[in-house]
Amino acid sequence: QKEVEQNSGPLSVPEGAIASLNCTYSDRGSQSFFWYRQYSGKSPELIMSIYSNGDKEDGRFTAQLNKASQYVSLLIRDSQPSDSATYLCAVRGNTPLVFGKGTRLSVIA
Amino acid sequence: KAGVTQTPRYLIKTRGQQVTLSCSPISGHRSVSWYQQTPGQGLQFLFEYFSETQRNKGNFPGRFSGRQFSNSRSEMNVSTLELGDSALYLCASSKGPPWEQYFGPGTRLTVT
Repeated sequence: QKEVEQNSGPLSVPEGAIASLNCTYSDRGSQSFFWYRQYSGKSPELIMSIYSNGDKEDGRFTAQLNKASQYVSLLIRDSQPSDSATYLCAVRGNTPLVFGKGTRLSVIA
Repeated sequence: KAGVTQTPRYLIKTRGQQVTLSCSPISGHRSVSWYQQTPGQGLQFLFEYFSETQRNKGNFPGRFSGRQFSNSRSEMNVSTLELGDSALYLCASSKGPPWEQYFGPGTRLTVT
């Protein structure tokens, strides 16, 4: 059973701070890694994808991948109240995309 | 470019009935995946289609079935509905490898 683990939260950070979201996965054959943001009552929205070890930056978002440790993270710099949502980590190897249950982020103004 | 569309957006059915949900992928995307989302279980994978072929199937009973048409549109059918089938059903489309998936707005199914 391929698993993706995330801390359910809630993770509370003050406005302007860095939010750090973490994810571990069990399948060493995983090749593609994604972060989705889901607002309450809405569908998931793809915000980052990463395929090789290291960091990938896109605006205020940085995804980090460490395949040896089977660990993916998402950093959100200068967090805004509009970033308050559930963040889903998703991993794909030779099997379909597997999602974690998500971390709820709350950014306090 | 238009996003993934799903119809209907909301549906109320009674136990024992069947339901068909529809998904139109982003233009040019050949893969469609279906997921069930509930508060307790999170996102659970149902099916994945690529160019009309089912590539993968999740651990759901045979009451759940799907198909993909030559224009990449997909349908999902649930027969003999149970109360536990109440959920948000999400469709996601992808071009193919590396399988970046983009979700539609979902169909909220309520079984009474």
